[in-house]
Amino acid sequence: EDQVTQSPEALRLQEGESSSLNCSYTVSGLRGLFWYRQDPGKGPEFLFTLYSAGEEKEKERLKATLTKKESFLHITAPKPEDSATYLCAVQAYPSGGGADGLTFGKGTHLIIQP
Amino acid sequence: DSGVTQTPKHLITATGQRVTLRCSPRSGDLSVYWYQQSLDQGLQFLIQYYNGEERAKGNILERFSAQQFPDLHSELNLSSLELGDSALYFCASSMTPNTIYFGEGSWLTVV
Repeated sequence: EDQVTQSPEALRLQEGESSSLNCSYTVSGLRGLFWYRQDPGKGPEFLFTLYSAGEEKEKERLKATLTKKESFLHITAPKPEDSATYLCAVQAYPSGGGADGLTFGKGTHLIIQP
Repeated sequence: DSGVTQTPKHLITATGQRVTLRCSPRSGDLSVYWYQQSLDQGLQFLIQYYNGEERAKGNILERFSAQQFPDLHSELNLSSLELGDSALYFCASSMTPNTIYFGEGSWLTVV
């Protein structure tokens, strides 16, 4: 069974204080690792998909990296508007059924204080 | 705005009732997914449709069913509702499996 564990559960940072969020995963065969941002009461907003160990992707103050067992979301010089819950999810290669569903972690609730 | 449209945004209903949630995918997306998000379980994959055909089932209860119509919109039917079914239900769509976009969700409260 695919599993995703995110840490920490919550993180409070000062504006400009860089940090990293962790996503550890076990999956039968990794097809893709996804990062989403979710604001309260809203739908998850797609950020990145990573496919293989060593891959990195960047978007504004966010950079996602991938190893064979975990992914990190690095936040550089965050601003208050970066406050949100960040979700990690894995997509496994389908075993005959063609499924593309994602298995999500429970997220890291990030608060950036001015 | 992801381009995935869900209705209704909020719904309050009584135990034992049946409701239907509707989803319009992004233009051109053939895959539609349904997810349930609750405080204790997080986001759970329920079911996927691709071009009108069921593709995969996740943790979907037998009381729940879905379909995708020829115009690619999808409906999630929830019946014999229980208090524990109260949750946020998301629809997502994709053209390719590596980029999946979510709608804003339908809040279901069962009283």
